[in-house]
Amino acid sequence: GNSVTQMEGPVTLSEEAFLTINCTYTATGYPSLFWYVQYPGEGLQLLLKATKADDKGSNKGFEATYRKETTSFHLEKGSVQVSDSAVYFCALRALGESGTYKYIFGTGTRLKVLA
Amino acid sequence: NAGVTQTPKFQVLKTGQSMTLQCAQDMNHNSMYWYRQDPGMGLRLIYYSASEGTTDKGEVPNGYNVSRLNKREFSLRLESAAPSQTSVYFCASSDGPVSNQPQHFGDGTRLSIL
Repeated sequence: GNSVTQMEGPVTLSEEAFLTINCTYTATGYPSLFWYVQYPGEGLQLLLKATKADDKGSNKGFEATYRKETTSFHLEKGSVQVSDSAVYFCALRALGESGTYKYIFGTGTRLKVLA
Repeated sequence: NAGVTQTPKFQVLKTGQSMTLQCAQDMNHNSMYWYRQDPGMGLRLIYYSASEGTTDKGEVPNGYNVSRLNKREFSLRLESAAPSQTSVYFCASSDGPVSNQPQHFGDGTRLSIL
């Protein structure tokens, strides 16, 4: 079946450090991949997406590349800021067993950036 | 630009009470979803509506019912609330089953059942 596995948190970094949050997936066919961010007390907001192999999604200094050969979609940022502190969710959209498309989410990774 | 609007934002219920969570979207999306978010468990799908007039069970439907009132609105009802239903509930919408576009989420309803 379809699934998403992302690294457990929390991840604690100093401001301006490099960020990587790992995400791997299992899916039938050719899924679309997404990263969402959730700030305290808010809903999930789309951060970036990639819809086919080798696509790179980017937004607000964050990047992730759709790697079909390693079934991965790792999130990276070169220099984090305190304002990046949030929970990050990796997600995919793929064909489910019932023949309809499903959205599957990872369990989330909490990032805390210290000044 | 409202997007997905959920009401109420907070609610406290007693065990056995009933209530309905409301959700409306203004993006002309075909599909709508209800999730619950619990610590360490990510998002779990309760029910979804692929298009107006259809609803289907998700991963954790027990204890809930839904109504797709029209294209804009999708409500979630707890008939007899239980403490295990204490959670944060999110409504989401998307273009539809064929589109590969992402979901858009509301800000959530924080529900406590005593």
